[in-house]
Amino acid sequence: EADIYQTPRYLVIGTGKKITLECSQTMGHDKMYWYQQDPGMELHLIHYSYGVNSTEKGDLSSESTVSRIRTEHFPLTLESARPSHTSQYLCASSAGQGAYEQYFGPGTRLTVT
Amino acid sequence: QQPVQSPQAVILREGEDAVINCSSSKALYSVHWYRQKHGEAPVFLMILLKGGEQKGHEKISASFNEKKQQSSLYLTASQLSYSGTYFCGTERGRWNYGGSQGNLIFGKGTKLSVKP
Repeated sequence: EADIYQTPRYLVIGTGKKITLECSQTMGHDKMYWYQQDPGMELHLIHYSYGVNSTEKGDLSSESTVSRIRTEHFPLTLESARPSHTSQYLCASSAGQGAYEQYFGPGTRLTVT
Repeated sequence: QQPVQSPQAVILREGEDAVINCSSSKALYSVHWYRQKHGEAPVFLMILLKGGEQKGHEKISASFNEKKQQSSLYLTASQLSYSGTYFCGTERGRWNYGGSQGNLIFGKGTKLSVKP
């Protein structure tokens, strides 16, 4: 059973607000990811981390930032939310790079009004 | 270099078979398959590696043609629980190859509906 958690599960927030989406895993995985997924669409990698103090931008340009101060925690922050940020955000982790199973969290569905 | 999946959607009756394809224009190191049910997170199905190694569920069958940069997922004797959207994710390489660092690029998905 994968142990990766995301909070909040649903968030409705006004334009211009600062928000942080939380992601935690208890599996001791080094690599963690943030994906953005619109309804019925594919997953787009927006950030990833190889381990503590390591963060990189993914393939999809994003106005969000991430941090990795602890192995188990990989929060994503939007400094000023906009309606274009409305989407589902999925966090995932894996035991290593590349050919390892990714475990996904339940996601945060964000709506910016 | 997003992989291309086909078909985009398929409707089956219980017990029927289906094949979902994933192709890339770039040389691949591995192909990963995930299934996502409506409103849920993607769930791992299988990884196929260059060289023939496979990791995944015993009941899932897939192939990886390295020369053609293609993978196929075989769903046999489908059950209602097979319904969902199937995504393939391709890994172009490792360790600074094309900047991918071993990360996955996902296709647009194939929506599978199994009817009773």
